[in-house]
Amino acid sequence: GDSVTQMEGPVTLSEEAFLTINCTYTATGYPSLFWYVQYPGEGLQLLLKATKADDKGSNKGFEATYRKETTSFHLEKGSVQVSDSAVYFCALHDTGRRALTFGSGTRLQVQP
Amino acid sequence: DVKVTQSSRYLVKRTGEKVFLECVQDMDHENMFWYRQDPGLGLRLIYFSYDVKMKEKGDIPEGYSVSREKKERFSLILESASTNQTSMYLCASSRPRTTSQPQHFGDGTRLSIL
Repeated sequence: GDSVTQMEGPVTLSEEAFLTINCTYTATGYPSLFWYVQYPGEGLQLLLKATKADDKGSNKGFEATYRKETTSFHLEKGSVQVSDSAVYFCALHDTGRRALTFGSGTRLQVQP
Repeated sequence: DVKVTQSSRYLVKRTGEKVFLECVQDMDHENMFWYRQDPGLGLRLIYFSYDVKMKEKGDIPEGYSVSREKKERFSLILESASTNQTSMYLCASSRPRTTSQPQHFGDGTRLSIL
């Protein structure tokens, strides 16, 4: 079946540091890939998505590239801010399924 | 913007009670979903609905049921609440069929069963 594996957190960085959160997946079809972000006390918001191999999704300075050869979709940001502190979820939507499959989430803490 | 509204942010109930969690979306989406979120486990799908009166079990449906009488509203029912159902519950909606369509989430209901 489908699955998503994320690096365990928490990830603690200083402001302006470079961020990478690893995400790998297994899927039987041709999935679309997503990163969602959850700020404290809120629901999930779509951060970015990629729908086919080699696509790059980007938003708010975050980027992720759909790598089919390594089945990965790592999230990166060149310079994090305190306001980026949140939980980040990698997810996939596979053909033939109606629902998303989520990773376990990675908590990011950015210190001033 | 799509808005998904969950009726309660926090809810405290007792073991054995019948509990209703309500969710409303305003974008005429066909698909609606209920997830529970637990630390270290991410989001797990309880039930989803792809049309009025239509529903399918997700990965962890035991102890839950759902109701979708109108397109905009999707209710999650805990038939007889138990302490292991203490969790954060998230509702989501999306357009049908294509995998590229994202899901839109409500702010969640934090449910405590005493």
